[in-house]
Amino acid sequence: DVQMTQSPSYLAASPGESVSISCKASKSINTYLAWYQEKPGKTNKLLIYSGSTLQSGTPSRFSGSGSGTDFTLTIRSLEPEDFAFYYCQQHNEYPLTFGSGTKLEIK
Amino acid sequence: EVQLVESGGGLVKPGSSLKLSCVASGFTFSSYGMHWIRQAPKKGLEWIALIYYDSSNKYYADSVKGRFTISRDNSKNTLYLEMNSLRSEDTAMYYCAKEYYSLYVMDAWGQGASVTVSS
Repeated sequence: DVQMTQSPSYLAASPGESVSISCKASKSINTYLAWYQEKPGKTNKLLIYSGSTLQSGTPSRFSGSGSGTDFTLTIRSLEPEDFAFYYCQQHNEYPLTFGSGTKLEIK
Repeated sequence: EVQLVESGGGLVKPGSSLKLSCVASGFTFSSYGMHWIRQAPKKGLEWIALIYYDSSNKYYADSVKGRFTISRDNSKNTLYLEMNSLRSEDTAMYYCAKEYYSLYVMDAWGQGASVTVSS
């Protein structure tokens, strides 16, 4: 199985700042990496897939990059609604696997 | 608006069975693959099963293979997860999710059904 190592597990930032979250795969997954946002009381939201393709409705301040084993989610100019959990998921092969998550909190 | 509503969760004893349902609305259910994903308390997300739009293919995580069965009834817009030989480590929130254009990502999720396995 492809192990996904996500870091950091916790991140504190202020509105207006930019942050990056890393996701590393245990072997090459080409560009097949997705990012999700989890917020209390809301259903999970697909933000980005295939490494860098923004899902419809995802604000342009979100961006994804990387290929092979190393991927990054960048959020520029944080808005209050961005403080949430974020998970990466490889969609290159079965079983599909997720990273352990990053909690983004307001500083 | 896409909506997925899970039901059937509860408290069961180890070794018992439970069947979850997920009723879909707001899209053509029969055209999309569907997933089950779970999240144990204080843990991350774990994908557990996928079924193709026409039930022609099913995939499972090793942790549930042979014990859980994913199925669907397209006439009822309903996805199922039959869980047998339940263990304490199966305690989790179970989510159904809609497949996005055969990319093996999930573009819509339900709110989840809670399953607790305890004696």
